[in-house]
Amino acid sequence: GENVEQHPSTLSVQEGDSAVIKCTYSDSASNYFPWYKQELGKGPQLIIDIRSNVGEKKDQRIAVTLNKTAKHFSLHITETQPEDSAVYFCAARYLQGAQKLVFGQGTRLTINP
Amino acid sequence: EAQVTQNPRYLITVTGKKLTVTCSQNMNHEYMSWYRQDPGLGLRQIYYSMNVEVTDKGDVPEGYKVSRKEKRNFPLILESPSPNQTSLYFCASSSTRGRASSAFFGQGTRLTVV
Repeated sequence: GENVEQHPSTLSVQEGDSAVIKCTYSDSASNYFPWYKQELGKGPQLIIDIRSNVGEKKDQRIAVTLNKTAKHFSLHITETQPEDSAVYFCAARYLQGAQKLVFGQGTRLTINP
Repeated sequence: EAQVTQNPRYLITVTGKKLTVTCSQNMNHEYMSWYRQDPGLGLRQIYYSMNVEVTDKGDVPEGYKVSRKEKRNFPLILESPSPNQTSLYFCASSSTRGRASSAFFGQGTRLTVV
């Protein structure tokens, strides 16, 4: 089945700097890659997603890139702010089972003022 | 407001005492699933349901049961909880129509089994 590896597990950056989180997936048939942000005491919330027919997608300070050949995708956060501190999860939709999302292990991002 | 509602948010119970965690969504989504979140392991799927009366095992189904009698509700049942089921649980729902949407998650249920 699908397997998603996420790195790093923890990331600390200075406010205003950029943060990058990387994920690799194993099933080349996966076609949908969402990113979730989980704040303390809350459920994961979708922040951006990308489909396999697109190489890059941006939404204000957040961008995601996808390299299908290498089977990896990355989350880029620019001009980081304290409210970006959270746990981030990447996921890949595994086609077997239709809607099944397979998640990475998570990255705890800390923005230092 | 579109939401997935889980209850209870926190639960402490003893080994072997049956419990149910409820999940309800108001978005008319066909697909619902349960995940458990453990440190360093991310979110792992326990069970999922493609529609009413259609359920199937995820990656870690042992010790859990589910039912889907109505479209909006998807309860998680632990018939005989054990300490290794101490975890943070999330219910999620999504649509299977058109370009299927990503999952909406509930607020989570922190379960402790002593």
